[in-house]
Amino acid sequence: DTAVSQTPKYLVTQMGNDKSIKCEQNLGHDTMYWYKQDSKKFLKIMFSYNNKELIINETVPNRFSPKSPDKAHLNLHINSLELGDSAVYFCASSPYSGRDYEQYFGPGTRLTVT
Amino acid sequence: SQKIEQNSEALNIQEGKTATLTCNYTNYSPAYLQWYRQDPGRGPVFLLLIRENEKEKRKERLKVTFDTTLKQSLFHITASQPADSATYLCALGDTGKLIFGQGTTLQVKP
Repeated sequence: DTAVSQTPKYLVTQMGNDKSIKCEQNLGHDTMYWYKQDSKKFLKIMFSYNNKELIINETVPNRFSPKSPDKAHLNLHINSLELGDSAVYFCASSPYSGRDYEQYFGPGTRLTVT
Repeated sequence: SQKIEQNSEALNIQEGKTATLTCNYTNYSPAYLQWYRQDPGRGPVFLLLIRENEKEKRKERLKVTFDTTLKQSLFHITASQPADSATYLCALGDTGKLIFGQGTTLQVKP
């Protein structure tokens, strides 16, 4: 069983479109995250949810809107896609927030905006 | 400004040798530091955690040190194997979130 899963794995779309990425974890963790890894391999946190509540919201354009329907799921909706949004997006989870717990990452979604 | 620096150049070593990767940081006071391994096309995988009051941690062939005075962590892989070839990311624990370095790619040649 995959601990943290993401769909889709690849997403190719045109500028201006709206798209969503879904994430699910079956580890029973309370905290979930979205990260963006750019072409230079920098992995940067975007959002974090703890038990469905938004706790970290980095400087991310408001075209990006996360949503957590329950603590096992965290989705990312992106409006009006731009070329600069092309990256690999990773979902992750950890048992709790704000502590030194290890994070479990999903396989990533490679988004290409043309 | 705040920075985390890992050697951006790939590290090439011979099988059986010890690989040493460096993570330096400025203008952070992390309570802990984690190391992750990332293979191409995959998500990072947690390897080791070291807290600010710990000097050294070991796990099998892996060893990590944390010097808060030098603001540096060293990550060692002893008796390296070709299967250890990957990108290794350090991550600082800062105000409840992880701040990642850009990673160092290790290539172990047989």
